[in-house]
Amino acid sequence: NAGVTQTPKFQVLKTGQSMTLQCAQDMNHNSMYWYRQDPGMGLRLIYYSASEGTTDKGEVPNGYNVSRLNKREFSLRLESAAPSQTSVYFCASEAVYEQYFGPGTRLTVT
Amino acid sequence: RKEVEQDPGPFNVPEGATVAFNCTYSNSASQSFFWYRQDCRKEPKLLMSVYSSGNEDGRFTAQLNRASQYISLLIRDSKLSDSATYLCVVNQGSYIPTFGRGTSLIVHP
Repeated sequence: NAGVTQTPKFQVLKTGQSMTLQCAQDMNHNSMYWYRQDPGMGLRLIYYSASEGTTDKGEVPNGYNVSRLNKREFSLRLESAAPSQTSVYFCASEAVYEQYFGPGTRLTVT
Repeated sequence: RKEVEQDPGPFNVPEGATVAFNCTYSNSASQSFFWYRQDCRKEPKLLMSVYSSGNEDGRFTAQLNRASQYISLLIRDSKLSDSATYLCVVNQGSYIPTFGRGTSLIVHP
């Protein structure tokens, strides 16, 4: 039982490059989330998916897209990376309002 | 005004001390409350839920005060391993939880 997994753990991109962050959970949870965490800013919600087939914007969705591929997987895509997207990205799944986080992806955009 | 506010600290306490953090929230319709712990460069992990009747788990006690709209976390007999950032989370009944920015605790020998 791996819980929530994320790949990659680290990534360096150049401005304008694209990439997809992968997230998978094996707890059969309906809801999944993508956050970014920056120093002094706390966790900010980018997108969430209340159930398979639905996605909604969170607090800071600009520059990102998501796909809820199936119940297990929820991916986050940066189409054209910008230095302002340098951050730590966490995926989480949820059951009864309790959230379970993946280990995070540390992304640097130069 | 941010919806969920925490004193960022750091709270610097000796081993064995008792320390308490508060977290205030602005939405009186909030329904669920939690404390998470986050170690440096790690993901947040659920520490405990906060119920109206209070919740105790070993050295940790969480309380909810709906009238004054805050939750608290009390840590007794602090250990070095308690050093971390403690995040409070408030749910308003929607799918969107609101995280506080966290309170940093440093326990020293």
